[in-house]
Amino acid sequence: ETGVTQTPRHLVMGMTNKKSLKCEQHLGHNAMYWYKQSAKKPLELMFVYNFKEQTENNSVPSRFSPECPNSSHLFLHLHTLQPEDSALYLCASSQALSVEQYFGPGTRLTVT
Amino acid sequence: AQKITQTQPGMFVQEKEAVTLDCTYDTSDQSYGLFWYKQPSSGEMIFLIYQGSYDEQNATEGRYSLNFQKARKSANLVISASQLGDSAMYFCAMREMDSSYKLIFGSGTRLLVRP
Repeated sequence: ETGVTQTPRHLVMGMTNKKSLKCEQHLGHNAMYWYKQSAKKPLELMFVYNFKEQTENNSVPSRFSPECPNSSHLFLHLHTLQPEDSALYLCASSQALSVEQYFGPGTRLTVT
Repeated sequence: AQKITQTQPGMFVQEKEAVTLDCTYDTSDQSYGLFWYKQPSSGEMIFLIYQGSYDEQNATEGRYSLNFQKARKSANLVISASQLGDSAMYFCAMREMDSSYKLIFGSGTRLLVRP
């Protein structure tokens, strides 16, 4: 595997379900990010981790819970989601916070 | 006020021709970076090119060049010799180094290359 991978690629879940999105980067980067891309809205930053430490939480509701066990892996735990949370969730990584980010293919989430 | 403005929701270009995608930004920081990303229908965001606010020369990467006009706060992407595979969404983004490392994206421009 190379670059940034995300699983699953597609996820359909009910409002009472609990699921997790997984991101793995094979680039040796130190920073990882979660973004949300909704239809007709700009990409929104959700969380930033640098050397496994969360450095930014962009006012994200608590039904989204990130976890970064090491610099290569990033999870987004989901519970009690709302239909408006349906979106493409993109993971990214970068060598440092100030340089270009490399994105994974995203997880298309549908909340029913 | 919007930090990143992309005024062209959609653009057409003939194959092998050049096309310019517009991007204007708003910041009071002295140090910032400007990025362009391409998003094909598959969803992955692909990094194309970067311009730092202190860079005196316009950035170039292969067929991509960034027309950076600091006084006008514009960072237009120029794609030369368009190819069918260039059809995608293109996003301009900015990071303000002085205040935050958050990457702020514009709303994107959908480019369609005609054969």
